[in-house]
Amino acid sequence: EVQLVESGGGLVQPGESLRLSCAASGFSFSSHAMSWVRQAPGKGLEWVSGLTASGDRTFYADSVQGRFTISRDNSKNTLYLQMNSPRAEDTAVYYCARDYKIRDGGGSPPPPVDYWGQGTLVTVSS
Amino acid sequence: DIVMTQTPLSSPVTLGQPASFSCTSSQSLVHSDGNTYLSWLQQRPGQPPRLLIYKISNRFSGVPDRFSGSGAGTDFTLKISRVEAEDVGIYYCMQATQFPRTFGQGTKVEIK
Repeated sequence: EVQLVESGGGLVQPGESLRLSCAASGFSFSSHAMSWVRQAPGKGLEWVSGLTASGDRTFYADSVQGRFTISRDNSKNTLYLQMNSPRAEDTAVYYCARDYKIRDGGGSPPPPVDYWGQGTLVTVSS
Repeated sequence: DIVMTQTPLSSPVTLGQPASFSCTSSQSLVHSDGNTYLSWLQQRPGQPPRLLIYKISNRFSGVPDRFSGSGAGTDFTLKISRVEAEDVGIYYCMQATQFPRTFGQGTKVEIK
């Protein structure tokens, strides 16, 4: 069973740093790209960042470019999001999601962004 | 970035009746591999999003067959053949053809 469990959320002051983690299990973590998606209170979904299965390429939304850093440790099956200089508008539930699978010559790959964690709430406030 | 636009933003529906929601992308979602990575997600109140439909019309594991997707190019539709009470929530379309992934604003489904 695919499981994604986020942690690390909480109350942080503007300008401080916070690191979110996402522990993955039930699938070959090193074969999948991963993404972070957030949802501000009462708002819709906003994709934040993604990276390839090997971690060699990263992607960011304009709203977080230069402030957030996505990374992964395939030996620990864990995805991270380093949040530097957070702002009040970064307050949201942050979800990690399994993204596309690298092609390995097997059968039809699973769809991108198919499984989601339960999310972790980040509140940026003084 | 690809902009995803959903209509309507709110949809009061009657139990047992069909419902339909639309999604339009600002550019073609056809990937270089020939697939169109348009998905529909459901978010029930207090829950994380859940994948319902992928590549326009494929139901994800465990999704009831009353949900169906259709469309091509830039225009897509999600249909519920007979709405049930558990279908209340917000439905998002999402493109995964390119980074950044982008979502529609969501269609809120409520029972009349």
